[in-house]
Amino acid sequence: GAVVSQHPSWVICKSGTSVKIECRSLDFQATTMFWYRQFPKQSLMLMATSNEGSKATYEQGVEKDKFLINHASLTLSTLTVTSAHPEDSSFYICSARVRGSLSNQPQHFGDGTRLSIL
Amino acid sequence: GNSVTQMEGPVTLSEEAFLTINCTYTATGYPSLFWYVQYPGEGLQLLLKATKADDKGSNKGFEATYRKETTSFHLEKGSVQVSDSAVYFCAQNYGGSQGNLIFGKGTKLSVKP
Repeated sequence: GAVVSQHPSWVICKSGTSVKIECRSLDFQATTMFWYRQFPKQSLMLMATSNEGSKATYEQGVEKDKFLINHASLTLSTLTVTSAHPEDSSFYICSARVRGSLSNQPQHFGDGTRLSIL
Repeated sequence: GNSVTQMEGPVTLSEEAFLTINCTYTATGYPSLFWYVQYPGEGLQLLLKATKADDKGSNKGFEATYRKETTSFHLEKGSVQVSDSAVYFCAQNYGGSQGNLIFGKGTKLSVKP
């Protein structure tokens, strides 16, 4: 149980385009989802916390207009990288917490999306 | 503030060797502690967790004990396999309604046959 699906798993696109990444909880509802960015051989950096039906909470230094997050339902959150540039190339990972679970319970992670901007 | 410090890698072991990956934390309260594993090209999978002092998390032969007195949560396995090769992340949740996670920098483990 507690499966999180992330799509696409790999995307290559030209500089200046916008890319949407989907994060779905397949067998549970998730009030809260998290978006992380991971640079090569480094740890995960939390970008934002996404709550269903409300605005996302962004971490300091993360551009809200650059990384648009929408959490329209209890099973889907999307991250859109707008006007992507090569420096946005990275591995993006989402996670979700089961609706109603305590805040000290684990997050369940997707398999990540590798974004390459040419 | 809250933080997680993990031993630097990479760690290279022979099959059936004993594994220890050190992890210490600083926290203002009593966080839950986690070990996550990341296989190449994949997301993170929860390996084990502990939610209070003296709890021992265990899974797939891995163990870690929540030590409040030493603020540690070291990961151990008695006999590693080639299939254990991955990056291991120690993490704590720093509470609040969201329960956000703070990760260590990760330790890459390579097990040679």
